[in-house]
Amino acid sequence: DQQVKQNSPSLSVQEGRISILNCDYTNSMFDYFLWYKKYPAEGPTFLISISSIKDKNEDGRFTVFLNKSAKHLSLHIVPSQPGDSAVYFCAASGRSGAGSYQLTFGKGTKLSVIP
Amino acid sequence: DAGVTQSPTHLIKTRGQQVTLRCSPKSGHDTVSWYQQALGQGPQFIFQYYEEEERQRGNFPDRFSGHQFPNYSSELNVNALLLGDSALYLCASSPSPTEARNEQFFGPGTRLTVL
Repeated sequence: DQQVKQNSPSLSVQEGRISILNCDYTNSMFDYFLWYKKYPAEGPTFLISISSIKDKNEDGRFTVFLNKSAKHLSLHIVPSQPGDSAVYFCAASGRSGAGSYQLTFGKGTKLSVIP
Repeated sequence: DAGVTQSPTHLIKTRGQQVTLRCSPKSGHDTVSWYQQALGQGPQFIFQYYEEEERQRGNFPDRFSGHQFPNYSSELNVNALLLGDSALYLCASSPSPTEARNEQFFGPGTRLTVL
């Protein structure tokens, strides 16, 4: 069962416009949600996170919104730039029985920003 | 400040063989997690090491085993390789296994191909 879902495999956006990437989850016990960006031949790099008790977090051009009742979060990138073209992963941090936290990832959305 | 490093970059093995992948965490980090990323999928959690012990484990068979050394570096071993083990293997480090935000820093990965 997929606890973190990214239902859009790809997204194309014009440079300067807004990019909206979506993520749904099923486990209400997740404590944090994180977004990672991945370029080819590189490991994922952390972008932004949000606590489960918040509904918005902003960092420069990146804003993450969390709707707990809908178990849905979204990443907004404004304005989009060609360098933002990458695969974006949504991840959720939850506590295991051993007391450690574990990341569960979605399948990713490939964003293409067209100049 | 060196980030997470992994070796080798690429590896080709045949079915039934055994493989060892290596990871050095980011300076100051003592927790190492391993992930398998199959083509078109998100990273899937294999296991996490802290204080030289396996703290938690994902849904992977016993053919996957690991080790953490006193200097916090880690190895991932896979025995009796199957074609389905072909994937990108990512190592990630973090400063603590009990931090809810759980921001992990990833290495570039090892691409394993099983023929």
